[in-house]
Amino acid sequence: AQKITQTQPGMFVQEKEAVTLDCTYDTSDPSYGLFWYKQPSSGEMIFLIYQGSYDQQNATEGRYSLNFQKARKSANLVISASQLGDSAMYFCAMREGWGGSYIPTFGRGTSLIVHP
Amino acid sequence: DAGITQSPRHKVTETGTPVTLRCHQTENHRYMYWYRQDPGHGLRLIHYSYGVKDTDKGEVSDGYSVSRSKTEDFLLTLESATSSQTSVYFCAISDSSPGTPQEQPQHFGDGTRLSIL
Repeated sequence: AQKITQTQPGMFVQEKEAVTLDCTYDTSDPSYGLFWYKQPSSGEMIFLIYQGSYDQQNATEGRYSLNFQKARKSANLVISASQLGDSAMYFCAMREGWGGSYIPTFGRGTSLIVHP
Repeated sequence: DAGITQSPRHKVTETGTPVTLRCHQTENHRYMYWYRQDPGHGLRLIHYSYGVKDTDKGEVSDGYSVSRSKTEDFLLTLESATSSQTSVYFCAISDSSPGTPQEQPQHFGDGTRLSIL
C-alpha cells in the first residue's frame, strides 16, 4: 500500500484563483512530518511547507497553506491567488520515525497548470 | 540555497558499464539520500546515509551501492548499468531533528540525468 497518495495527476486553475492539491497518507507512527515540494519545469525541487503531526494549527507560508486533517490522514496544499509561475509538479512527502533514521516517502505528484 | 553539488549533471553510457554519481555538500548535514525520479513514480529512495560509513537501503536499492567515507560526499554506484536505470537521480541532504519544532526539510541537488543505451 502506498504511504502517500496524490489522487490528482493533473490540475488546472485560472490565474488569481485558489487551488487545493490533495494528499492522503498512511502511517501508524505517532510522530511524523508532512512536506510539500514544488518542481518547476527546470527540474529543481523546492521546499514549500511543513506540518508536524503534533502541530495544533495548520501551517502557512505566504500564499501556501496546509489543510491538515489528522483524523482523516490528509494534508492538502492550498495555493491562494494562483500565479502563472505556480505551474509545476507538486509532491507531497511524509517523514516517519521517532529519532534515529529519517525515512521520507514521496507521492507521485500532481501537475498544476495555471491559465492566464 | 543549501550547498549541494551533483556530478556529473548529464551522462550517457552503455549497458554493462559501471557508473558512479557523486553528491557533495558543504552544509555538514548528517543525512544524505539518493533518489531516482521516473515519470509516474515520483521520487523513490534508493539508499540513504545517517553518518559516515552508515548507510541503509531504500525502496529501490537493487543494482545500486553507495559509500560515504566523508561527511560531505555520498557516492552512488551502478556496478553494471542497465537500461532500466535510465532516470534522473537526485541527491538530498537533511540535518533534521525528526518530530521536533526544529525539523527541517530535505534540500535537493539539481539532479543528474543518466541515460543508459
